[in-house]
Amino acid sequence: SAVISQKPSRDICQRGTSLTIQCQVDSQVTMMFWYRQQPGQSLTLIATANQGSEATYESGFVIDKFPISRPNLTFSTLTVSNMSPEDSSIYLCSVGDGEGSPLHFGNGTRLTVT
Amino acid sequence: KQEVTQIPAALSVPEGENLVLNCSFTDSAIYNLQWFRQDPGKGLTSLLLIQSSQREQTSGRLNASLDKSSGRSTLYIAASQPGDSATYLCAVGRTTDSWGKLQFGAGTQVVVTP
Repeated sequence: SAVISQKPSRDICQRGTSLTIQCQVDSQVTMMFWYRQQPGQSLTLIATANQGSEATYESGFVIDKFPISRPNLTFSTLTVSNMSPEDSSIYLCSVGDGEGSPLHFGNGTRLTVT
Repeated sequence: KQEVTQIPAALSVPEGENLVLNCSFTDSAIYNLQWFRQDPGKGLTSLLLIQSSQREQTSGRLNASLDKSSGRSTLYIAASQPGDSATYLCAVGRTTDSWGKLQFGAGTQVVVTP
């Protein structure tokens, strides 16, 4: 399966600032997604990162707060903008090759907002 | 709206005992179901993927069954080992055109004692 590298692995940020998380895959993949895991909760899908076009966001998530880029088939970034303590979560990048294939996850970025 | 439930939330067993983890979902119109393992501070590791047309999947000591009509999946881990200690998550895939947009359960935290 693809090797997924996320940077940074963790960060502590101040309220009102922004953080950009990078996701690099060692092979071309069809689909890339960004998930969030809030403390003590399970994973929630933020958006689908579409190569060469705007990301598709799930209900409750907006582009101004979570801008996403995907310039090619191996790389994507998620920015958490104007952060508040409620944004403290683990953010995970996931990839796959479409129908019939499993979804694989990176190790995540643990974000703490103070 | 699809709801995914995992019971129990936590489980402790002595080494060598078989593990039985349950996952239920409210909408039987699923595309697939995937079981993951999450270690503390780490991302998710894909264990087994069951397509909606399949009844079960096996990999080594792991066996997962799927009963769509009753909205249930069970993950069996034979002869548990301390290294099996982790949180196990099940996730349901919605439809073909939304592949990868998984709905996760809250997980079962497993401790295998030596």
